Amino acid sequence: EAGVTQSPTHLIKTRGQQVTLRCSPISGHTSVYWYQQALGLGLQFLLWYDEGEERNRGNFPPRFSGRQFPNYSSELNVNALELEDSALYLCASRGAGENIYEQYFGPGTRLTVT
Amino acid sequence: DAKTTQPTSMDCAEGRAANLPCNHSTISGNEYVYWYRQIHSQGPQYIIHGLKNNETNEMASLIITEDRKSSTLILPHATLRDTAVYYCIVSAYQGGSEKLVFGKGTKLTVNP
Repeated sequence: EAGVTQSPTHLIKTRGQQVTLRCSPISGHTSVYWYQQALGLGLQFLLWYDEGEERNRGNFPPRFSGRQFPNYSSELNVNALELEDSALYLCASRGAGENIYEQYFGPGTRLTVT
Repeated sequence: DAKTTQPTSMDCAEGRAANLPCNHSTISGNEYVYWYRQIHSQGPQYIIHGLKNNETNEMASLIITEDRKSSTLILPHATLRDTAVYYCIVSAYQGGSEKLVFGKGTKLTVNP
């Protein structure tokens, strides 16, 4: 069974630019979660999508947004990039009916903002 | 969600059991204990979870004290590939606010 995949693996952007990160969940999983792991700050919850709808979001500004497609894949968009957005962005998925905290993570996208 | 306290770091010899403690003295009755680990530069990996009974799967065992104020994750025969940061998380389903809240975790180093 293929795991959660994310693209791209690494990304370098300039302050003020916009970026789109992509996530494909495990086949059959309907929920997708996004987390940010900045150096020294640990994992921070960003967004939760389920069945195409945004169900919850963490304490991040509106320039962090996303969506979930009918095939349950997801995009995370970050506008007006700031230096402190440099981080590892992790996507996780969960199957419907499974324990909500049994999430399966992808390898992440390393974003560097210069 | 209840807070957890874990040692910052631990060492273990390869082939021996690794016992990782977690204190969660403010845990409430409907909160589960979850364990994840994160190997360097990879996404976290779900290990195990439990409510009050001890649990075992192919990766590890979870021992929860009777008063549920602490728990221990046991890796029965640690290997070098078990070197990772281990996170103990306590949380309950709250109907709309589902999210994993990761603390600092314990950096486990398995030595040859």
